[in-house]
Amino acid sequence: GAGVSQSPSNKVTEKGKDVELRCDPISGHTALYWYRQSLGQGLEFLIYFQGNSAPDKSGLPSDRFSAERTGGSVSTLTIQRTQQEDSAVYLCASSPHSTSNYGYTFGSGTRLTVV
Amino acid sequence: AQSVSQHNHHVILSEAASLELGCNYSYGGTVNLFWYVQYPGQHLQLLLKYFSGDPLVKGIKGFEAEFIKSKFSFNLRKPSVQWSDTAEYFCAVVPGSSNTGKLIFGQGTTLQVKP
Repeated sequence: GAGVSQSPSNKVTEKGKDVELRCDPISGHTALYWYRQSLGQGLEFLIYFQGNSAPDKSGLPSDRFSAERTGGSVSTLTIQRTQQEDSAVYLCASSPHSTSNYGYTFGSGTRLTVV
Repeated sequence: AQSVSQHNHHVILSEAASLELGCNYSYGGTVNLFWYVQYPGQHLQLLLKYFSGDPLVKGIKGFEAEFIKSKFSFNLRKPSVQWSDTAEYFCAVVPGSSNTGKLIFGQGTTLQVKP
């Protein structure tokens, strides 16, 4: 597609429920990144994919968070047993390569609210 | 650990005023530097980037940034701001040696331009 697409754009869930957030990167972009943006804070790195593998998942806050990428394209971020502190905007970005020269194209994000 | 610091969290200016947003990073080696902007209700967009060469980089919408290696700084400037520049601005760094392209972001600066 023309840009990075994320769905849903907004998600309200009850504490303890599981949620899945989807990212559809730009076609042909091999690198994919998930970030979290909390109110008043910067962007916190969560996980990086190169193709279908995740060589850097150092930013995942706990084992309740997991992500996968299939076909070198769509990625899903799953949060199990959601907590109120998981409320944030989850951003996905893609890049043609993982070398540092390209910068990212960001999606519009998924605003997650845990009530 | 590498970090990025944006000193101004909230800046309020009148139209036509000059703008300078500070950004400092902590990394001793070669870096690639970025400024991203997030307009209200929109996704993050790349404003400008520095990889090498002329340390004065020009970006979109009249913005520029100067890389000063000795000060580990990459401050964003605009001679005369407009109301439409109201947005949140993020500075980001990738070590030149990175093989993941993982961006490290500052906390962001909210710019409010009064008409």
